[in-house]
Amino acid sequence: KAGVTQTPRYLIKTRGQQVTLSCSPISGHRSVSWYQQTPGQGLQFLFEYFSETQRNKGNFPGRFSGRQFSNSRSEMNVSTLELGDSALYLCASLEGDRAADTQYFGPGTRLTVL
Amino acid sequence: AQKITQTQPGMFVQEKEAVTLDCTYDTSDPSYGLFWYKQPSSGEMIFLIYQGSYDQQNATEGRYSLNFQKARKSANLVISASQLGDSAMYFCAMREINTNAGKSTFGDGTTLTVKP
Repeated sequence: KAGVTQTPRYLIKTRGQQVTLSCSPISGHRSVSWYQQTPGQGLQFLFEYFSETQRNKGNFPGRFSGRQFSNSRSEMNVSTLELGDSALYLCASLEGDRAADTQYFGPGTRLTVL
Repeated sequence: AQKITQTQPGMFVQEKEAVTLDCTYDTSDPSYGLFWYKQPSSGEMIFLIYQGSYDQQNATEGRYSLNFQKARKSANLVISASQLGDSAMYFCAMREINTNAGKSTFGDGTTLTVKP
């Protein structure tokens, strides 16, 4: 099976702009989670979508939003970008809710906000 | 609250030697999974090994093994016969099945450097 794919891989934006990141999970996986990774804060959970519904949400402002489509592909949107949003954004897919189910990660989108 | 602690920001190991990366966790959920990931400088998180809270035996995957001590809430990763390609950041993570099945909580990571 193909792995988790994320597009684009690199992105440069300026403050105040908005950005949309895309994630395609492993075929058959219904859960997609998003994480933000920065040197100062480490890996932080943004949100999780399961069967097109947001099931879990981290402690991020409302500028961060997401959605999931019927084919399980997910998008994450960040509006009114701030310098602090510069980070590696990782998407992970999960087959189910069993303890043994593993979250597999995509290569990430590296966002730079100038 | 769920929490993962990795107390070693950086570790050095000689090539071909074994190394142990520490991880302790805290949770009130009786059903959870513990995972180790490797993140090379490219950024991709690579799954290495899994241990379930109800597993009686320690997990092993090739050169990776997990030293699971449930009573002490520790899940240390052991890498045997280290290779230069093992140099990377290593993260311990946990998923709580009854409360937050789709969310992983990560430690701060340990940077491993393998010396030739």
